[in-house]
Amino acid sequence: KAGVTQTPRYLIKTRGQQVTLSCSPISGHRSVSWYQQTPGQGLQFLFEYFSETQRNKGNFPGRFSGRQFSNSRSEMNVSTLELGDSALYLCASSLLNMGTGELFFGEGSRLTVL
Amino acid sequence: AQSVTQPDIHITVSEGASLELRCNYSYGATPYLFWYVQSPGQGLQLLLKYFSGDTLVQGIKGFEAEFKRSQSSFNLRKPSVHWSDAAEYFCAVGPDNTDKLIFGTGTRLQVFP
Repeated sequence: KAGVTQTPRYLIKTRGQQVTLSCSPISGHRSVSWYQQTPGQGLQFLFEYFSETQRNKGNFPGRFSGRQFSNSRSEMNVSTLELGDSALYLCASSLLNMGTGELFFGEGSRLTVL
Repeated sequence: AQSVTQPDIHITVSEGASLELRCNYSYGATPYLFWYVQSPGQGLQLLLKYFSGDTLVQGIKGFEAEFKRSQSSFNLRKPSVHWSDAAEYFCAVGPDNTDKLIFGTGTRLQVFP
């Protein structure tokens, strides 16, 4: 069974641009969550989606948005990029519909903002 | 406020030695507790979890953790460390019915032969 797939793995953007990251969950998993990982702030929760609905949102500005499609695939978008948005963005999926934190993580998308 | 503290940023052990990684949490309700491991360039992998019941939980790769409510702790242990255990370890806490986890800052484990 394929794991969580994130694309692209690496990308470089400049300040002011926007970026879209994609995540394909493990087959059968309907819950997808996103985390930002930086050396300074560690792992921080961004969003959680289930059945195309955002169930939870972390404490990030409105420039960070996401969505989930009917096939459970998810995307997140960051607009008007800032230097501080440079991070590893991790997507995770879970099997249990109600969400219990048993997350299966992808390898992440590493974003560098210049 | 909900939080997770991992007091040790970096731990170095010799291969074959025992290991204990500390985790303390602050959480208003009964917590769901987790340990995840991250190898360089990789995502996180779940080692073990505590939801309820027996306070000593067994995980993958020979790891175990003990939940101590009185100390608000959930320390990770392994009796004999292997070189392949070198990685970063994250303790996390969350409520039920959500995948919104609060992670600690991580402990980097280095293993010497």
